[in-house]
Amino acid sequence: KAGVTQTPRYLIKTRGQQVTLSCSPISGHRSVSWYQQTPGQGLQFLFEYFSETQRNKGNFPGRFSGRQFSNSRSEMNVSTLELGDSALYLCASSLPRENTGELFFGEGSRLTVL
Amino acid sequence: AQSVTQPDIHITVSEGASLELRCNYSYGATPYLFWYVQSPGQGLQLLLKYFSGDTLVQGIKGFEAEFKRSQSSFNLRKPSVHWSDAAEYFCAVGALGTGRRALTFGSGTRLQVQP
Repeated sequence: KAGVTQTPRYLIKTRGQQVTLSCSPISGHRSVSWYQQTPGQGLQFLFEYFSETQRNKGNFPGRFSGRQFSNSRSEMNVSTLELGDSALYLCASSLPRENTGELFFGEGSRLTVL
Repeated sequence: AQSVTQPDIHITVSEGASLELRCNYSYGATPYLFWYVQSPGQGLQLLLKYFSGDTLVQGIKGFEAEFKRSQSSFNLRKPSVHWSDAAEYFCAVGALGTGRRALTFGSGTRLQVQP
């Protein structure tokens, strides 16, 4: 069974640009979550999607947005990039059962903002 | 608000020695707890999880963790460390029964293994 696939793996942008990251969950997983990982702030929750609806959102500015498609694939977008947005962005998928929370992570998209 | 504390930023052990990584959590309701491992340049891999029941849980790669409600702790242990265990380890807590999959992670413990 294929794991969570994130593209691109690495990308470099300049301040003010925008970026779109893609995540394909494990087949059958309908919940997708996004996390930002930085050396200073660690792993922080961005948002979670289930059935194309955002169910939960972390404490990030509105420049960070996401969406989920009918095939459960998800994208996140960061507009007006800032230097501080340089991070590893991790996507995780899971089965939408209430009493479990096991997340399966992709290898991440490493964004560098210059 | 929930929080997770991993007091040890960096730990070095000799290969074959035992290991214990500490994790303390703060959460008002029944938590579910996880340990994840991250190798350089990789995503996170789940080692083990605790939802309910037996407070000693077994995971992959010979790891185990014990949930102690009275101490709000969920320490990770391994009796004999292998060089391949060198990685960063993250403890995480989530909200049981809310249907939400937002985990709060600790800051991580980087494990170095000496030959």
